[in-house]
Amino acid sequence: QQPVQSPQAVILREGEDAVINCSSSKALYSVHWYRQKHGEAPVFLMILLKGGEQKGHEKISASFNEKKQQSSLYLTASQLSYSGTYFCGTDRSGNTPLVFGKGTRLSVIA
Amino acid sequence: DGGITQSPKYLFRKEGQNVTLSCEQNLNHDAMYWYRQDPGQGLRLIYYSQIVNDFQKGDIAEGYSVSREKKESFPLTVTSAQKNPTAFYLCASSQQGGKNIQYFGAGTRLSVL
Repeated sequence: QQPVQSPQAVILREGEDAVINCSSSKALYSVHWYRQKHGEAPVFLMILLKGGEQKGHEKISASFNEKKQQSSLYLTASQLSYSGTYFCGTDRSGNTPLVFGKGTRLSVIA
Repeated sequence: DGGITQSPKYLFRKEGQNVTLSCEQNLNHDAMYWYRQDPGQGLRLIYYSQIVNDFQKGDIAEGYSVSREKKESFPLTVTSAQKNPTAFYLCASSQQGGKNIQYFGAGTRLSVL
């Protein structure tokens, strides 16, 4: 079951904040976040394990609400380098292929 | 440096032709995956392998075949039965028993002549 990401696209000015959501209808073991620049490989950002933990990576952080099976990615004080498509990947057991959402295209402009 | 190498970067297929995409990893990962990416569709799983000499179909396996004869190699063949092969193909690998973080190669862009 493919997770649902929202919004599909967002445009920000440098320094603005954004939130990207990822929802699943199934119970999850973990949620993974990736960023992909056009024509390049997706790059791993962070993993959220069940338990509701929040993790951070520079000015990018994420949370996982186990009750709602929803993860959110927070980008604060956005930089031009944050532009790209963000994907969440969900894992139901810790030992199966990730199922990816359709992605959220983020554009940061000066 | 450890990583995943995909080749070629660009590939063109003629009608009725089979083509093979290469994926090699030196991360000593047990599991390897092939994804297809179309605009607006995200990444869709074609095949995956968790151990040598074994592999499973993903969501869109029709028209594709794979082999896993060596731990470090997982080639994908796009057969003539795949009528719409134009896409960006990504190979990934992960270590089983850990957090299942997948690392991706740089991709192969396949087009039909």
